[in-house]
Amino acid sequence: QVQLQQWGAGRLRPSETLSLSCAVYVGSFSGYYWTWIRQPPGKGLEWIGEINHRESVNYNPSLKSRVTISVDKSKNQFSLKMRFVTAADTAVYYCVRGGYWMFDLWDQGALVTVSS
Amino acid sequence: QTVVTQEPSLTVSPGGTVTLTCTSSTGAVTSGHHPNWLQQKPGQAPRALFYNTNYKHSWTPARFSGSLLGGQAALTLSGVRPEDEADYYCLLYSGAGWVFGGGTRLTVL
Repeated sequence: QVQLQQWGAGRLRPSETLSLSCAVYVGSFSGYYWTWIRQPPGKGLEWIGEINHRESVNYNPSLKSRVTISVDKSKNQFSLKMRFVTAADTAVYYCVRGGYWMFDLWDQGALVTVSS
Repeated sequence: QTVVTQEPSLTVSPGGTVTLTCTSSTGAVTSGHHPNWLQQKPGQAPRALFYNTNYKHSWTPARFSGSLLGGQAALTLSGVRPEDEADYYCLLYSGAGWVFGGGTRLTVL
């Protein structure tokens, strides 16, 4: 049973823009913070940012200058754009349901590779 | 920016008890950091175990417990089973967003 499903380009060249979207198939779309988290190969997790249905957004300060998270309430979807990617942005990207101080639903993750 | 620190690795015998800790560079970890703990097995997405220090999810095994100990967030596994071998991550709210610890690789041996 699919609950969160993301899609987007899996391979990018340096300086391009990463674009991922995530559809929500479970429960209410409002009342939660829809979150992006990433994990470079063999490394730990990094919180990228979050958005709620009122379009209130919070970003990781270290990524804020390059990241935009948006929401399409009509489609129960949220999206991530990251500009000027480098090899350091190569990671598995997860879309996650957050809110109420928890992160309870995760998608299976998608590998995005940045390489020339 | 806040740095969250965990033990890089721990080893525990089956049936034993182990405590994983999570510290913040800004000082004592408190309930205001809303500590979360997640488990990740190889090739899988992380799975949430605890939120708000010690609130379990419905799927969290009873042998797991979350707490605050001496200014740290702690995850204790009692009666450890081989299937508990995994990476464990703590996650703290810093006011400017959420910060992950580097993770603890738990080996059951």
